[in-house]
Amino acid sequence: EAQVTQNPRYLITVTGKKLTVTCSQNMNHEYMSWYRQDPGLGLRQIYYSMNVEVTDKGDVPEGYKVSRKEKRNFPLILESPSPNQTSLYFCASSLSGTGGFPEAFFGQGTRLTVV
Amino acid sequence: AQSVAQPEDQVNVAEGNPLTVKCTYSVSGNPYLFWYVQYPNRGLQFLLKYITGDNLVKGSYGFEAEFNKSQTSFHLKKPSALVSDSALYFCAVRDMDTGRRALTFGSGTRLQVQP
Repeated sequence: EAQVTQNPRYLITVTGKKLTVTCSQNMNHEYMSWYRQDPGLGLRQIYYSMNVEVTDKGDVPEGYKVSRKEKRNFPLILESPSPNQTSLYFCASSLSGTGGFPEAFFGQGTRLTVV
Repeated sequence: AQSVAQPEDQVNVAEGNPLTVKCTYSVSGNPYLFWYVQYPNRGLQFLLKYITGDNLVKGSYGFEAEFNKSQTSFHLKKPSALVSDSALYFCAVRDMDTGRRALTFGSGTRLQVQP
């Protein structure tokens, strides 16, 4: 089954304690990205990756890091989490697309609470 | 910069009645437009997209959307609502004429279908 898998689904942590949210896709997609969802704001892109070893900032990258060492994995790293990073996080992947823009597949989300 | 507006936080409709969820967009060039649906505790699922061509786009689960370039709108519609359509709906846009691949999402509209 084609899917994007995020782990963990729920996480409560303390301010300043480094954490990683993993994301893996089994569709051989080139493009992967991370979004955060906050009430009244919709989804905002944090970082994206066009392919292995190619990453770039989205709209709200401050406080986050990513890496893309393998095509299937795109972990999101919070080196020193702060309470304003409490949010619902989604990983997404899609084909890069040469004609048109293919739809993105989303993971089930990770609800992060930083206290 | 690209933006999306979903003017209604919530839409209530009786089962069997037609539904419309509104979306307007702003891009500097030509738009790619998408609708996604989010069920409780789930990731976003792709419903339909407009790239080019016919202004009426048909998608999953009986949904359709009408692209109106002069009004910069892309309203989601369904002729007969089901209780199972109750969910959070997001409109998203990507500017075709820029190099950015990020989707810009609206703030979401909660659809409530009453039995």
